Amino acid sequence: ETGVTQTPRHLVMGMTNKKSLKCEQHLGHNAMYWYKQSAKKPLELMFVYNFKEQTENNSVPSRFSPECPNSSHLFLHLHTLQPEDSALYLCASSQESDRGREKLFFGSGTQLSVL
Amino acid sequence: EDQVTQSPEALRLQEGESSSLNCSYTVSGLRGLFWYRQDPGKGPEFLFTLYSAGEEKEKERLKATLTKKESFLHITAPKPEDSATYLCAVQGRAGAQKLVFGQGTRLTINP
Repeated sequence: ETGVTQTPRHLVMGMTNKKSLKCEQHLGHNAMYWYKQSAKKPLELMFVYNFKEQTENNSVPSRFSPECPNSSHLFLHLHTLQPEDSALYLCASSQESDRGREKLFFGSGTQLSVL
Repeated sequence: EDQVTQSPEALRLQEGESSSLNCSYTVSGLRGLFWYRQDPGKGPEFLFTLYSAGEEKEKERLKATLTKKESFLHITAPKPEDSATYLCAVQGRAGAQKLVFGQGTRLTINP
């Protein structure tokens, strides 16, 4: 069983659709993340949740809405997206400690295409 | 602001031809420097964490080194299965300890 599982693997949606991305981690970590990966650009941090509380929101448009019901599950709700939102969306988890954020464990991502 | 620059953007080698990937960084107090490997259609996979200048870590054909300004990922006698994109990231001590990634080096090893 992989440590971080993301569904769906691929998603095609129109600009008026509403969809959700799901992430589940089986590692017992206390922090979860959403990252966006666009072609030839560095990974962009979108949201961070620590113990289910959102601790960071890096100026992400409101058409992206995260939800973290417990420390193992993370959702990204999508609505009225734009074509430029097409990208690979990666979920990650880590264990936060006094040393800071330890190494990230990533899921395989959801490849999103907005038409 | 913390920054990471990786070079080259792409590197093509013959099997067995050793080389190095570079990660230059500026950070307000380094807490850790991370190397990840990413295969097409997959998420990044953790390779190494380096915490202080002079530190080195090895895994199979890979060795990561760290100075106060840059890190190198040395690949010795690579095989085609080493083909991937290699990502570098830094975590600073200031602010929210956000992990800042470079744009990656796409490595191709030809048989």
